[in-house]
Amino acid sequence: QKEVEQNSGPLSVPEGAIASLNCTYSDRGSQSFFWYRQYSGKSPELIMSIYSNGDKEDGRFTAQLNKASQYVSLLIRDSQPSDSATYLCAAPHDYKLSFGAGTTVTVRA
Amino acid sequence: EAQVTQNPRYLITVTGKKLTVTCSQNMNHEYMSWYRQDPGLGLRQIYYSMNVEVTDKGDVPEGYKVSRKEKRNFPLILESPSPNQTSLYFCASSWDRSYNEQFFGPGTRLTVL
Repeated sequence: QKEVEQNSGPLSVPEGAIASLNCTYSDRGSQSFFWYRQYSGKSPELIMSIYSNGDKEDGRFTAQLNKASQYVSLLIRDSQPSDSATYLCAAPHDYKLSFGAGTTVTVRA
Repeated sequence: EAQVTQNPRYLITVTGKKLTVTCSQNMNHEYMSWYRQDPGLGLRQIYYSMNVEVTDKGDVPEGYKVSRKEKRNFPLILESPSPNQTSLYFCASSWDRSYNEQFFGPGTRLTVL
């Protein structure tokens, strides 16, 4: 079993809609979770981190964490064409940071 | 400017010809890491280093070597590259372990013929 799994996507949403991305993790001891955005041909960049159960909002992005279900999600509200990218979920495991395979989001104008 | 640099950015080589990809960070980060990224497999950690002279294997270390003689530098060495090492490689650094934001370098696209 992979430490972090992202099994949704690719995702195509119209401009202005909500994009919802999901991620599950296997290590119950993980305390911190990250969402990275990666544009095509570029390196990943951190857009959200979350450490506690519940929601964390930053602009148009909301991360949700449910430790009991070992589930992390990212909502992108009012999606813009500039949000078109691959989104990577990541969680620590041992002394490493494990990444999911990513969900590619395309926002249609 | 705070950054992680990698060189070369693109490299085409042949099987068995030793190569080194350099990585340097100017943020005084303790933790540095190498990843490879392949379609459908995401980012997989090759090696990481928690400080000078402290390195350890990630998930896919076979065929790679690293060293950490200085805090800012973390080169990736392929002693005898093979075609299955054709990939996009990223170096990353963070303040400590993996529990903080990792800053990624621009990537090195390696092709082994």
